[in-house]
Amino acid sequence: EVQLVQSGAEVKKPGESLKMSCKTSGYRFPGYWIGWVRQMPGKGLEWMGVIYPGDSDTRYSPSFEGQVTISADKSVSTAYLQWSSLKASDTAMYYCARRGQLGGFDYWGQGTLVSVSS
Amino acid sequence: EIVLTQSPGTLSLSPGERATLSCRASQSVDSNYLAWYQQKPGQAPRLLIYGASTRATGIPDRFSGSGSGTDFTLTISRLEPEDFALYYCQQYGSSPWTFGQGTKVEIK
Repeated sequence: EVQLVQSGAEVKKPGESLKMSCKTSGYRFPGYWIGWVRQMPGKGLEWMGVIYPGDSDTRYSPSFEGQVTISADKSVSTAYLQWSSLKASDTAMYYCARRGQLGGFDYWGQGTLVSVSS
Repeated sequence: EIVLTQSPGTLSLSPGERATLSCRASQSVDSNYLAWYQQKPGQAPRLLIYGASTRATGIPDRFSGSGSGTDFTLTISRLEPEDFALYYCQQYGSSPWTFGQGTKVEIK
């Protein structure tokens, strides 16, 4: 059974760093793109970027390039999303999702809620 | 960057009615790499359709996708109570793999 399990909710202050995780199981991790999607409170889905763990090829949305870093560790079948300096505007739910071989994000994590406030 | 525009913003219908949701792209979507998702409050999105017209595993056949190039449609043939939700389209033919802004299907 394919599963994506994300790390728990975070409460942070502006300027702090954060690294969240998306641990996968039930499939061959290196062979599928893993993406990250932001959903701000009451708003729609925003594609942040993806990584192909097999060769670490990473693509970012222009809106998020330079703001976050996406990485993956094949040894533990886990993808990561990190910030070096959070802003209040980073408050949102963040989802990881696997792109299926035939397209579309076919499996999703449960989401990680990030709250950034002074 | 391909911009996806979904219409209408909100669709008010009754159970049993047909729902037609539109997704228009600012430029042609490569290989019809267009997906549709359903999202309910407090839940992660669920993949309904990929490749513009192929239902994902376990998706009922009342959901169908059509279209090509820049114009795509999601049709729900007869709305069930559990179908009232938010729906998003996404193109994954060229980076960034953008989402539309969503259509809410609400009970009339």
